[in-house]
Amino acid sequence: DAKTTQPPSMDCAEGRAANLPCNHSTISGNEYVYWYRQIHSQGPQYIIHGLKNNETNEMASLIITEDRKSSTLILPHATLRDTAVYYCIVRVNTGTASKLTFGTGTRLQVTL
Amino acid sequence: NAGVTQTPKFQVLKTGQSMTLQCAQDMNHEYMSWYRQDPGMGLRLIHYSVGAGITDQGEVPNGYNVSRSTTEDFPLRLLSAAPSQTSVYFCASRTTGGYTFGSGTRLTVV
Repeated sequence: DAKTTQPPSMDCAEGRAANLPCNHSTISGNEYVYWYRQIHSQGPQYIIHGLKNNETNEMASLIITEDRKSSTLILPHATLRDTAVYYCIVRVNTGTASKLTFGTGTRLQVTL
Repeated sequence: NAGVTQTPKFQVLKTGQSMTLQCAQDMNHEYMSWYRQDPGMGLRLIHYSVGAGITDQGEVPNGYNVSRSTTEDFPLRLLSAAPSQTSVYFCASRTTGGYTFGSGTRLTVV
């Protein structure tokens, strides 16, 4: 799986959009971009994933650049409960056998 | 659905003791895996299984055994606990799409 690079920490004011960047310059054509988050010491929580097109769900939006070498996770209206470590992971989506490789992620602190 | 259930939530072991961390899922997922997370670090894969009767090693398998006799259960065994195995352990399962993680077992080896 390709490596990813994320800033170690970011701050965001409550109610504002949080934009979390991720670089994955060695991504292969069949690798997806996944985002997970880990709140305090709980188990990681799936947020969103995509291949080429931008994706949106009830939690967040994922913007992938046209060359697929970077992406941005957007939390449109951050709340204090969004304070967490956010992990960007790229992996081949080959059914049930593929594995997740975690880096150290971005620690997002949402403040009043 | 309860999702992925891990027991116990906390455990203290003495060096050399053995124990089994339990993981069960009720989503009929074929793929299950065990990760460990040390302070300030991301998760590292210990062992995984793509179905009943099939297991394989991950990134850090030494000191751990697994078995998969049923689709639902994937226990992780520590054969002879060492202080280096002090960590938080997460079990996860998936089908297509995203993974579902358990709430973790915090293990301290003294």
